[in-house]
Amino acid sequence: AQTVTQSQPEMSVQEAETVTLSCTYDTSENNYYLFWYKQPPSRQMILVIRQEAYKQQNATENRFSVNFQKAAKSFSLKISDSQLGDTAMYFCAFTLNTGTASKLTFGTGTRLQVTL
Amino acid sequence: DAGVTQSPTHLIKTRGQQVTLRCSPKSGHDTVSWYQQALGQGPQFIFQYYEEEERQRGNFPDRFSGHQFPNYSSELNVNALLLGDSALYLCASSTESDWNTEAFFGQGTRLTVV
Repeated sequence: AQTVTQSQPEMSVQEAETVTLSCTYDTSENNYYLFWYKQPPSRQMILVIRQEAYKQQNATENRFSVNFQKAAKSFSLKISDSQLGDTAMYFCAFTLNTGTASKLTFGTGTRLQVTL
Repeated sequence: DAGVTQSPTHLIKTRGQQVTLRCSPKSGHDTVSWYQQALGQGPQFIFQYYEEEERQRGNFPDRFSGHQFPNYSSELNVNALLLGDSALYLCASSTESDWNTEAFFGQGTRLTVV
């Protein structure tokens, strides 16, 4: 079974600063995908960034980037130039590459507060 | 495109009752997954439907059942409600042909069991 661990229940960052959210996972499989989802107070999960395990290059989406360390099973999210709208719960998630839609396994989340 | 829509948004039920939650997937999506998110926790996978059949199931009792209709919409049924079933229930849709790109989530149904 796969597990995802987020060890930071809460984080705070000032506007325009950079913050890094941590995530580790455990799996015996070699082919999988990792995601970071954002859940604002509206409750709707929104995909932030996606990483394919067989790609060594770290994914980047505008202000969001990841540090993917496959051997260490680590997948951290860096948010640059933080904005007030980034305030939300952030969930790290894992899915196996089975060739078909597969379940997402989520961590317990990190609550990020962006302050003025 | 309305995205993934869920109904109702909020629901209060009494212990022992039965409840049905509904989900309409994003246009063009054929796969629907259901998740339970307890307060302060990450979502937990309940089951997934594709071609009107349950394809995968998480560690949930048989009190949790579902259905997918020919138009790909889906229902989640929970029988004999327990206080512990109080949670946010999320529906996610994706396409079988492009499953690994993104799963789109609805805003969820907040179920409170009293």
